[in-house]
Amino acid sequence: EDKVVQSPLSLVVHEGDTVTLNCSYEVTNFRSLLWYKQEKKAPTFLFMLTSSGIEKKSGRLSSILDKKELFSILNITATQTGDSAVYLCAVVKDQGAQKLVFGQGTRLTINP
Amino acid sequence: GAVVSQHPSWVICKSGTSVKIECRSLDFQATTMFWYRQFPKQSLMLMATSNEGSKATYEQGVEKDKFLINHASLTLSTLTVTSAHPEDSSFYICSATYNRGAETQYFGPGTRLLVL
Repeated sequence: EDKVVQSPLSLVVHEGDTVTLNCSYEVTNFRSLLWYKQEKKAPTFLFMLTSSGIEKKSGRLSSILDKKELFSILNITATQTGDSAVYLCAVVKDQGAQKLVFGQGTRLTINP
Repeated sequence: GAVVSQHPSWVICKSGTSVKIECRSLDFQATTMFWYRQFPKQSLMLMATSNEGSKATYEQGVEKDKFLINHASLTLSTLTVTSAHPEDSSFYICSATYNRGAETQYFGPGTRLLVL
């Protein structure tokens, strides 16, 4: 059975701290891994990772994939209160129509 | 670009009634749309995949006669929850992709359904 596991499930830090969110997976027909940020409504796309060892960056956020060890991390530096959200990791399976298998999410709270 | 809308954003209905939720891709043609359900503090669970002009493919455990999906055009898919019951209360989110092989899905804002 396909599994995507995120840790920690919940994290509370102070503004300015750096956080690392983890995502491990056991999925057949892996194609790529996606990170999303979900606030009150629908998830918004952050990164798509296909190749191992290549860091993707967007401002204070960065992410990297390790296909040998089957995990990805999402880093956020100099956190701000606006970073408070649920961060979702999803694996794309290569089965014709691309299906996403989501992890449980990490609820990140940034306190001022 | 890549905006997906849903309507309504929330709905309250009585047990036994049917509810229709619309998902539209506003600025692109979506050959494939996905419907997810999310219970409180849980992740998104894929319910079904629909391709324009063909029948939806349902995930294991999702009743196709209860959750009717129609994808009649490249910009519109609908999910009808038939004879809704309180256990159907959830957050329903659709997503769309540009083409069948696309990996990035663009999500709608979701519809919160409460069945009394």
